[in-house]
Amino acid sequence: KAGVTQTPRYLIKTRGQQVTLSCSPISGHRSVSWYQQTPGQGLQFLFEYFSETQRNKGNFPGRFSGRQFSNSRSEMNVSTLELGDSALYLCASSERLTSGTDTQYFGPGTRLTVL
Amino acid sequence: SQQGEEDPQALSIQEGENATMNCSYKTSINNLQWYRQNSGRGLVHLILIRSNEREKHSGRLRVTLDTSKKSSSLLITASRAADTASYFCATDEGTGFQKLVFGTGTRLLVSP
Repeated sequence: KAGVTQTPRYLIKTRGQQVTLSCSPISGHRSVSWYQQTPGQGLQFLFEYFSETQRNKGNFPGRFSGRQFSNSRSEMNVSTLELGDSALYLCASSERLTSGTDTQYFGPGTRLTVL
Repeated sequence: SQQGEEDPQALSIQEGENATMNCSYKTSINNLQWYRQNSGRGLVHLILIRSNEREKHSGRLRVTLDTSKKSSSLLITASRAADTASYFCATDEGTGFQKLVFGTGTRLLVSP
């Protein structure tokens, strides 16, 4: 099976702009989670989507949003970009067969730079 | 917020030596996972150990879990230069959600 794919891989934006990142999960996986990685804060959970519904959300401002489509592909959007949004954004998918936490498989990430 | 700390923050060894990394966490868990990250790329899943397991092996990897001490260790035996990476532990905080809370990571450098 193909792994998790993320597009674009690199992105440069300026403050105040908005950005949309895309994630295609492993075939058959219905759960998609997003994480932000920065040198200062490390890896932080953004949100999880399952069956097109947001199941959980991390401690991020409302400028960060996401959605999931019927084919499980997911997008996340950041509006009114700030310099501090510069980060590696990682998407992960899992089968979510059980009620517990499953193994999550990560994509290569999107490196966002805000100037 | 991060679940806990990893120790050491950085580790430098020679090829062939063993590398041990420790992870401490704060809350009860359902399971704990270890991931590897090469130079700012995506995370590669290494191993998952459930809260009712004490030890698990996968190839050159051995993971232990002590829920009474809220700690885990990852041992890589006979290290290779290709093992150079950052290693992270991650827990689910016992919620059952697909939310992972990561440790601060250990940077491992294996020199030929």
